[in-house]
Amino acid sequence: DAGVIQSPRHEVTEMGQEVTLRCKPISGHNSLFWYRQTMMRGLELLIYFNNNVPIDDSGMPEDRFSAKMPNASFSTLKIQPSEPRDSAVYFCASSFNFRGYGYTFGSGTRLTVV
Amino acid sequence: SQQGEEDPQALSIQEGENATMNCSYKTSINNLQWYRQNSGRGLVHLILIRSNEREKHSGRLRVTLDTSKKSSSLLITASRAADTASYFCATDQVFGNEKLTFGTGTRLTIIP
Repeated sequence: DAGVIQSPRHEVTEMGQEVTLRCKPISGHNSLFWYRQTMMRGLELLIYFNNNVPIDDSGMPEDRFSAKMPNASFSTLKIQPSEPRDSAVYFCASSFNFRGYGYTFGSGTRLTVV
Repeated sequence: SQQGEEDPQALSIQEGENATMNCSYKTSINNLQWYRQNSGRGLVHLILIRSNEREKHSGRLRVTLDTSKKSSSLLITASRAADTASYFCATDQVFGNEKLTFGTGTRLTIIP
């Protein structure tokens, strides 16, 4: 099993540009989570999906952020337009959809908006 | 606000010594999990303890849970240089769907 795969690993973009982060969860996992990590705010849950359906998006900072999960093996997190304060490491994680299982995290995407 | 708060924020010990990290949380939980994060990498799940358990072991790791005090501790015995990382507790809250809320982390440095 290749684990949770995120791409790209690094992204540098100019303010105002659209950014799309991608995630492939572990096969058989039916919960998917997007987290953002910064020094100031730590790990924040942005959104999570269960069986491809968004369950809780209360952590999405504003309308500039959107996430989709068109099928069980792919999810995207889009920021449009991007701003310097969006600079962070974005993690995708997947799990089985019942309690008692840990999450498997991807290696993250380090986003820098200049 | 963070559900979990780790203590201390940073810890440096000599290789071979034991390292203890603590986590406090605020609301009732189904389980509590500990994760490790090496610099520049994703988090790795270490161990899960359920609310009806008091202690759990996995290799050199020992986790305790005191639900009356809403606290947990992670003990790493006979530390190694490779244990240098940040350690996070995460809680599965009773009224929080299945999502995990992560603490602020303890930065552990093992001095060879």
